[in-house]
Amino acid sequence: DAKTTQPPSMDCAEGRAANLPCNHSTISGNEYVYWYRQIHSQGPQYIIHGLKNNETNEMASLIITEDRKSSTLILPHATLRDTAVYYCIVIDDMRFGAGTRLTVKP
Amino acid sequence: NAGVTQTPKFQVLKTGQSMTLQCAQDMNHNSMYWYRQDPGMGLRLIYYSASEGTTDKGEVPNGYNVSRLNKREFSLRLESAAPSQTSVYFCASRTGPNTGELFFGEGSRLTVL
Repeated sequence: DAKTTQPPSMDCAEGRAANLPCNHSTISGNEYVYWYRQIHSQGPQYIIHGLKNNETNEMASLIITEDRKSSTLILPHATLRDTAVYYCIVIDDMRFGAGTRLTVKP
Repeated sequence: NAGVTQTPKFQVLKTGQSMTLQCAQDMNHNSMYWYRQDPGMGLRLIYYSASEGTTDKGEVPNGYNVSRLNKREFSLRLESAAPSQTSVYFCASRTGPNTGELFFGEGSRLTVL
């Protein structure tokens, strides 16, 4: 099994922040957490990654707890085009799990 | 920039036939990966190549073989296709074994009748 666990689905209202959680309680000290999303059946697309500190880029923010056992991906102003399956993975593990299906609603 | 290119994009096989899925990347990446994705499921790792000249099994290697032909190319072969191998196959690459984000191809949709 993958090292990460995520809720199977979430809804979010358009324009609101989407907060997607991920548990990775067995992560090692030097393993990065990466987030990807997959729209329809396209190849997954990289979003963001982090090790210990919070990270932000033009797509999203990543909050990692101090004990590194969980993280949250934040899409600050979700749009309909953000409807997708979101995956978090521990980079050394390379296993994706089932991800979270985010549905952004008008 | 082409990135990761997979061929073919679509293929229909009969049970017992063989075929090879081709993957090439033009980003000078060392590590390459093959995943499969069944309907409504996440991606499962079949095989990977951490660097040129090496290959290793992933979660679901049975029924598949791989060849890292050179640094650019990583092929996946089905010797005797089975209906259970009907899936979408994704190739991915990244800088190194534990370095960098994965770049994915567009996928190859395989149906085995």
